[in-house]
Amino acid sequence: DGGITQSPKYLFRKEGQNVTLSCEQNLNHDAMYWYRQDPGQGLRLIYYSQIVNDFQKGDIAEGYSVSREKKESFPLTVTSAQKNPTAFYLCASSPREALRAFFGQGTRLTVV
Amino acid sequence: EDQVTQSPEALRLQEGESSSLNCSYTVSGLRGLFWYRQDPGKGPEFLFTLYSAGEEKEKERLKATLTKKESFLHITAPKPEDSATYLCAVQAGGNFNKFYFGSGTKLNVKP
Repeated sequence: DGGITQSPKYLFRKEGQNVTLSCEQNLNHDAMYWYRQDPGQGLRLIYYSQIVNDFQKGDIAEGYSVSREKKESFPLTVTSAQKNPTAFYLCASSPREALRAFFGQGTRLTVV
Repeated sequence: EDQVTQSPEALRLQEGESSSLNCSYTVSGLRGLFWYRQDPGKGPEFLFTLYSAGEEKEKERLKATLTKKESFLHITAPKPEDSATYLCAVQAGGNFNKFYFGSGTKLNVKP
């Protein structure tokens, strides 16, 4: 089945730790995105990538980093510089013409 | 500044009670407006794309319409399984691959 796979579904981080969220797609889409969702708020764009080896900051990139070494993979690292990382993280992809975005099932990150 | 606003924030309906959700937007050069459904703890599920004013799309009990300033998601005779958060997003012409999302309308349909 084609789709977007995010892992893990739940992730717990201790203060001062970096953690990496995985996002893999087999839809052959060029563009990939990371969004953060907090209760009562819309999806906010963290980073996006339109092609391999290239990515741009979104609206809330501070404290996050990404890489795009392969077309199908776009991992997100939440660094210790992110002061309030507890949130629901969503990965998405879209074809070059970006007719719509397809979403994964999300990773819920909690700081303990 | 590109902006998407959804209203109401929450809506409670009785089963069979039709209503509408609103999505107003201010973007430079609309390329497309998207409606998604999101269940708790899940990723958004695509419903519709609208490209130009006057366009309408339908799927089961849902109908989406678009004007130059806003979109409506009409829900006819809703059922409890329609309960979810409905998200609106727009894609602006100046930012080819960026989608701007509203904060959503949480719909609760009581039997």
